[in-house]
Amino acid sequence: AQSVTQLDSHVSVSEGTPVLLRCNYSSSYSPSLFWYVQHPNKGLQLLLKYTSAATLVKGINGFEAEFKKSETSFHLTKPSAHMSDAAEYFCVVTEGSYNTDKLIFGTGTRLQVFP
Amino acid sequence: NAGVTQTPKFQVLKTGQSMTLQCAQDMNHEYMSWYRQDPGMGLRLIHYSVGAGITDQGEVPNGYNVSRSTTEDFPLRLLSAAPSQTSVYFCASSAGPTRFQPQHFGDGTRLSIL
Repeated sequence: AQSVTQLDSHVSVSEGTPVLLRCNYSSSYSPSLFWYVQHPNKGLQLLLKYTSAATLVKGINGFEAEFKKSETSFHLTKPSAHMSDAAEYFCVVTEGSYNTDKLIFGTGTRLQVFP
Repeated sequence: NAGVTQTPKFQVLKTGQSMTLQCAQDMNHEYMSWYRQDPGMGLRLIHYSVGAGITDQGEVPNGYNVSRSTTEDFPLRLLSAAPSQTSVYFCASSAGPTRFQPQHFGDGTRLSIL
């Protein structure tokens, strides 16, 4: 079965400094991987996705992630944090067949941004 | 654009009561799903549907029923509420398989079972 492990439950950064949110995955075949963001009292929004094309994936709001098969990692980065980036971030992998695949969520990383 | 609309936003129930969480989308999406979110556990799939008349179980289906009579609506029913079902429930929809199409989430229903 596929799974994802988010290595940090909380990350704190200062505004203007880089952001790194770590995610390792387990998959028996080439996975599709995603990062979703959840702002307080809101639903989740897709940041970016990897589906076996380019290994460096660019998403919205300046975020990007690199798929590293040798390390089974899909870490999320941003060069300079903004106050509005404070939210919870979920690393997600697909499981199942083409038409009935399901999303398997990590436990989330809460990002705090200090002024 | 309304997107995915969930009602109610908040609900308190007593153990043993039943209720239906409503979910409607106006994007003509075939795929719809229900998740629950509990602290420290991420989101877990309850039930999902790949089109009207077609539903299937996810990771944690016990205690919940669904039906899909129209493309737009995907209600989630709690037949006899239990304190373990206290959670935040999210409905999501997508235009196709989740590995290719982004899921659009509602803002959630916060449910407390006393």
